[in-house]
Amino acid sequence: DQQVKQNSPSLSVQEGRISILNCDYTNSMFDYFLWYKKYPAEGPTFLISISSIKDKNEDGRFTVFLNKSAKHLSLHIVPSQPGDSAVYFCAASRNNDMRFGAGTRLTVKP
Amino acid sequence: GAGVSQSPRYKVAKRGQDVALRCDPISGHVSLFWYQQALGQGPEFLTYFQNEAQLDKSGLPSDRFFAERPEGSVSTLKIQRTQQEDSAVYLCASSFFRGRQPKTQYFGPGTRLLVL
Repeated sequence: DQQVKQNSPSLSVQEGRISILNCDYTNSMFDYFLWYKKYPAEGPTFLISISSIKDKNEDGRFTVFLNKSAKHLSLHIVPSQPGDSAVYFCAASRNNDMRFGAGTRLTVKP
Repeated sequence: GAGVSQSPRYKVAKRGQDVALRCDPISGHVSLFWYQQALGQGPEFLTYFQNEAQLDKSGLPSDRFFAERPEGSVSTLKIQRTQQEDSAVYLCASSFFRGRQPKTQYFGPGTRLLVL
């Protein structure tokens, strides 16, 4: 059962524009959400997270939005840079039991 | 190196063969995790160690999968009598903290296993 879904396998944006990556989840008991970034031949690295008691968390160019009623979260990258090109995984957690989405490959074109 | 390392990076096995995948966590990290990432999917939890104790093995898909961390540092994931469905990237992660706090996990580059 896929409790965390990233429905867009890929996304391409122009350098300097906004990248919006989306993630949906089915289990309303998830209380912590994370985004990981993965470059080829490397493991995923933690990017940003949000607790279920918040609806927004910002860290530099990266902002995560959480809509609990819609069971939806998104990652905004502004402005996008070519170095942001990677696979982005969404993850949801309850009691530290973490479930990942399948990932979205972001390509930022110069 | 300062990060989590895994070996081999690539492994091709014939169906029925036993394989052993190694993880060297970051020095001093108490917690160690194994994940399986099938093609086109996200990582899925397999097992968790705190020091040498295997506290959770609920994600291991069958009794052909066995993991150990005998001295609380290096860990080995062993798969016996490999099947084609075992083909995946196996990720190891470690954390300085006790428990399965997701934010604190550092991932290795993974071992890509292909079973023919």
